Amino acid sequence: GENVEQHPSTLSVQEGDSAVIKCTYSDSASNYFPWYKQELGKGPQLIIDIRSNVGEKKDQRIAVTLNKTAKHFSLHITETQPEDSAVYFCAALKRNDMRFGAGTRLTVKP
Amino acid sequence: DTAVSQTPKYLVTQMGNDKSIKCEQNLGHDTMYWYKQDSKKFLKIMFSYNNKELIINETVPNRFSPKSPDKAHLNLHINSLELGDSAVYFCASSPSPNTGELFFGEGSRLTVL
Repeated sequence: GENVEQHPSTLSVQEGDSAVIKCTYSDSASNYFPWYKQELGKGPQLIIDIRSNVGEKKDQRIAVTLNKTAKHFSLHITETQPEDSAVYFCAALKRNDMRFGAGTRLTVKP
Repeated sequence: DTAVSQTPKYLVTQMGNDKSIKCEQNLGHDTMYWYKQDSKKFLKIMFSYNNKELIINETVPNRFSPKSPDKAHLNLHINSLELGDSAVYFCASSPSPNTGELFFGEGSRLTVL
């Protein structure tokens, strides 16, 4: 089955700095790569996604890049704010099976 | 209106007991899921149903039995609870099995003493 690796497991940045989280996947048949944000006591919520026919997607301060050849994708958050502090999960979907990375705990210090 | 709602939010019980967690979605989605999140925050799929039919059944002990009475509901029943079952269980739904976006519930924190 699909295996998704996510790094780093924890990330601490100063407010206003950028944050980058990276994921790799193992199965080239995976074709959809979402990123979820989980705040304390809540369920994960989709923040951005990318399909395998696209290399980059941006939505205000967040962007995702995908390198199909290398089988890796990354989340970029610019101008971080304290409310960006949360656990972020990458995932990869192959047919009907969504597999998640282990998560990154992002802390943005004011 | 809550899109994916699960009950109870918290559940504390003794080893050996049987308990259920209920999930309902009002999004009109065809597919529903149960995920288990352990203390290290790792999200692991347990089951997936599409139109009341089981489509994913991971290596989960037989003590866990999902039931989908209709496509808007997916309940999780756990027999003979063990300490290792303590976790947060998330229900989720999606329009279809391969469209991508999952909508998660708020989670049900199960503590087995």
